[in-house]
Amino acid sequence: SQQGEEDPQALSIQEGENATMNCSYKTSINNLQWYRQNSGRGLVHLILIRSNEREKHSGRLRVTLDTSKKSSSLLITASRAADTASYFCATAYGNNRLAFGKGNQVVVIP
Amino acid sequence: GAVVSQHPSRVICKSGTSVKIECRSLDFQATTMFWYRQFPKQSLMLMATSNEGSKATYEQGVEKDKFLINHASLTLSTLTVTSAHPEDSSFYICSARATSTDTQYFGPGTRLTVL
Repeated sequence: SQQGEEDPQALSIQEGENATMNCSYKTSINNLQWYRQNSGRGLVHLILIRSNEREKHSGRLRVTLDTSKKSSSLLITASRAADTASYFCATAYGNNRLAFGKGNQVVVIP
Repeated sequence: GAVVSQHPSRVICKSGTSVKIECRSLDFQATTMFWYRQFPKQSLMLMATSNEGSKATYEQGVEKDKFLINHASLTLSTLTVTSAHPEDSSFYICSARATSTDTQYFGPGTRLTVL
């Protein structure tokens, strides 16, 4: 099975700064999705980018997809304390299944 | 927006007992639901795909007789952990996919602790 894999880093940033995290995957995908998870809670869908798209925006979120490099990035601009969470990328493959990456822990310091 | 609920949110049980977890899509119909487990500070691992009216499809390494899945309606899937043991302690999360979209909507998760 393929797997999205984030860079193994925990981010600690000041409120107002931008946070960038990356994700790489191994095989062809239908789409790539980013999710947020607060500690001990379920996942919140943030954004979906299809394999034929290169960039997508949603509020303070910007996602890029480079299918030639099999990688994606998630940028959160003007971070807020409420953005503190784990962020996962997930790649969609056969029968709409999702393969999740390891996750990035982001801490936004007020 | 699409809402998925899970019940219970937390359960503590003795070793050897069975535990049933419900996953409901509240405001949409989901022909497909997915069950994941997540260990502390780790990612989600897909356990099985639950299709309404048919047998679930299990991922490699997941025991179908251990984790019974039933998807009796378009809004409800259940996961039963049979003869639970301490190593089954985990965070179980379901998701539901609306028929008209590629997006999966996740439930809030169920924390299972087996003593």
